[in-house]
Amino acid sequence: GESVGLHLPTLSVQEGDNSIINCAYSNSASDYFIWYKQESGKGPQFIIDIRSNMDKRQGQRVTVLLNKTVKHLSLQIAATQPGDSAVYFCADAGDSWGKLQFGAGTQVVVTP
Amino acid sequence: NAGVMQNPRHLVRRRGQEARLRCSPMKGHSHVYWYRQLPEEGLKFMVYLQKENIIDESGMPKERFSAEFPKEGPSILRIQQVVRGDSAAYFCASSPKEQNTEAFFGQGTRLTVV
Repeated sequence: GESVGLHLPTLSVQEGDNSIINCAYSNSASDYFIWYKQESGKGPQFIIDIRSNMDKRQGQRVTVLLNKTVKHLSLQIAATQPGDSAVYFCADAGDSWGKLQFGAGTQVVVTP
Repeated sequence: NAGVMQNPRHLVRRRGQEARLRCSPMKGHSHVYWYRQLPEEGLKFMVYLQKENIIDESGMPKERFSAEFPKEGPSILRIQQVVRGDSAAYFCASSPKEQNTEAFFGQGTRLTVV
């Protein structure tokens, strides 16, 4: 069936460096994507979203890139900080922004 | 404005018992979504409810699981005759309207079946 998945299960990043987390999706009809951050023992926290009519969106220290041709999106975190250590999920809202299809997640570990 | 409140945070049940998980949406939110997360996996959609209505339950197991969102009070996810495979974190999200750009998640209920 349709799915959203991630390339790398774990990403180790040195503090101050930039992080890039990748995600592939298979539903070509998907028109809305969200990145979530989940810290241990907590619920997912919204980071940034992007609609299919855009290919780039920037937030505070984060940028999401969407490549519809290859059905790929990425999350870039600038100047990674220890507080960025968490699991990051991409989610595909498909045609219902409440019913989200989550990828498996990437664990980001920030080292000093 | 309090966020999405889920309780209990941790719940331990013996096999065969019932588990009741509660979710109080954010103030003003009338749409509630339940998700299940197995260890080291992503969240899986279970059910979408509005007040007194189940809109989409395509992710709910056919047996033992039910959900409601009454006119008054929290949304309830009920699991009857729990089995060890039901052990997971259950998250609730709420939004003020359908197709909101951002659903807010609660902290989850971690169910352990022993």
